[in-house]
Amino acid sequence: GAVVSQHPSRVICKSGTSVKIECRSLDFQATTMFWYRQFPKQSLMLMATSNEGSKATYEQGVEKDKFLINHASLTLSTLTVTSAHPEDSSFYICSASLTGDGSPLHFGNGTRLTVT
Amino acid sequence: AQKITQTQPGMFVQEKEAVTLDCTYDTSDQSYGLFWYKQPSSGEMIFLIYQGSYDEQNATEGRYSLNFQKARKSANLVISASQLGDSAMYFCAMTSGYSTLTFGKGTMLLVSP
Repeated sequence: GAVVSQHPSRVICKSGTSVKIECRSLDFQATTMFWYRQFPKQSLMLMATSNEGSKATYEQGVEKDKFLINHASLTLSTLTVTSAHPEDSSFYICSASLTGDGSPLHFGNGTRLTVT
Repeated sequence: AQKITQTQPGMFVQEKEAVTLDCTYDTSDQSYGLFWYKQPSSGEMIFLIYQGSYDEQNATEGRYSLNFQKARKSANLVISASQLGDSAMYFCAMTSGYSTLTFGKGTMLLVSP
């Protein structure tokens, strides 16, 4: 079946540094990828929708300058957390749609970010 | 706007018994999709089952079935013959239009021996 690979699975960084998270669709082309954030024991919150070759669409309240999203190819989207702060510590997870018409999304395994 | 409500923060079930996880939804769209995902403690999201709003029959996938009651706007997940490995967080979600998922708050299921 369709597989979405997310890397790294865990990352610890110091305040003020930037962290890049990659999301790859391994066996299909994903014109649209989604980035979610999940706080402990809470639901996933959509951060942004990433479209290949165009600017990402951010949800209300998400700082686009802090969470940079690049979708340079049909199989790769990246999320860069810039100038990370401890409050950015969270679980970030990406997903990709096979056809973009509401068919089941496939998720990466997530990235646990800890900012010290 | 879409809304998903999961009213059970936690559920307990004994191994081999069936369990129903509740999910109600609200949308003004006529065409929509309903999903259930399982999230183990490792954090990954595992797709379980999908129901389209125009599907006449309830979706089934192995031990998972979706009790879809359109008039009541409910899409409950039924897990038959629970296993210890079923212990996880379960999220109900929906999409309408262009693939943006709205998640419920989740239900933590604990299966005991």
